[in-house]
Amino acid sequence: ETGVTQTPRHLVMGMTNKKSLKCEQHLGHNAMYWYKQSAKKPLELMFVYNFKEQTENNSVPSRFSPECPNSSHLFLHLHTLQPEDSALYLCASSQDTTFGETQYFGPGTRLLVL
Amino acid sequence: QQQVKQSPQSLIVQKGGIPIINCAYENTAFDYFPWYQQFPGKGPALLIAIRPDVSEKKEGRFTISFNKSAKQFSLHIMDSQPGDSATYFCAASIWTSGSRLTFGEGTQLTVNP
Repeated sequence: ETGVTQTPRHLVMGMTNKKSLKCEQHLGHNAMYWYKQSAKKPLELMFVYNFKEQTENNSVPSRFSPECPNSSHLFLHLHTLQPEDSALYLCASSQDTTFGETQYFGPGTRLLVL
Repeated sequence: QQQVKQSPQSLIVQKGGIPIINCAYENTAFDYFPWYQQFPGKGPALLIAIRPDVSEKKEGRFTISFNKSAKQFSLHIMDSQPGDSATYFCAASIWTSGSRLTFGEGTQLTVNP
C-alpha cells in the first residue's frame, strides 16, 4: 500500500448505528486530518492531529469522535448521525502542521445516512 | 475573513483551450496559495502552489497568476487536454500554520476532445 488509504470506501448507515472510518498513511508523516466534502461546498476541516495529539477541532458535533492511536492511523467514530452528515469524508496527512506542508489526501469514504 | 471565493463553478472548454479559474480571498494574512486537482473517486492532490513574493508561477502547462493588491489569484491551464477534466480547488493558508487550509468551492472542468 502506498500513500493514504481509507476504508471502507462506501458506507450506508442508519441514524441509530455506530460505525467507524479508518485511515492509514504510509508516508512517514506526523500530522493527520479529517475533512468533510459536500457537493458544491468547500472542503471543511474537521480535526487535526499532530504527533498523535489533537491540535484542532473545528466545532464538530460530538456525534463525530476522532481517534489517533499512532501517527500512521486515524479513525473517525460515528454515532447517531443525521441525514445531513451524508458526504465524502477525506483523510489527509502531512509531514507536520507547520510551514505550508503539502497535505496528501486519501480517496475518501462516501457516507450515506438514512 | 476566512473565506476563499472561487469561480466559475463549472467550465467547459475544447481541447487546446485555456481554461482560467479565479479565486479571491479576504484575509490579508494568507501567504500560501495552493491549487488541488481532484479526479472522480480520488482525493484532491496538490497541483501547484504560490507564495506572494512572486506574481506568477509555472509548472508545465499549469500557471498561477497572483495579484496581491487585489487579493486574487488564478489558475491557467495551457493547451488543455481531456485528461485535465477534473475538479479544481484553490486554497489559502498562513504559511506558518500550514495545517489550516481554507478551500474554495471548487470548479468542475470538462475538456472536450
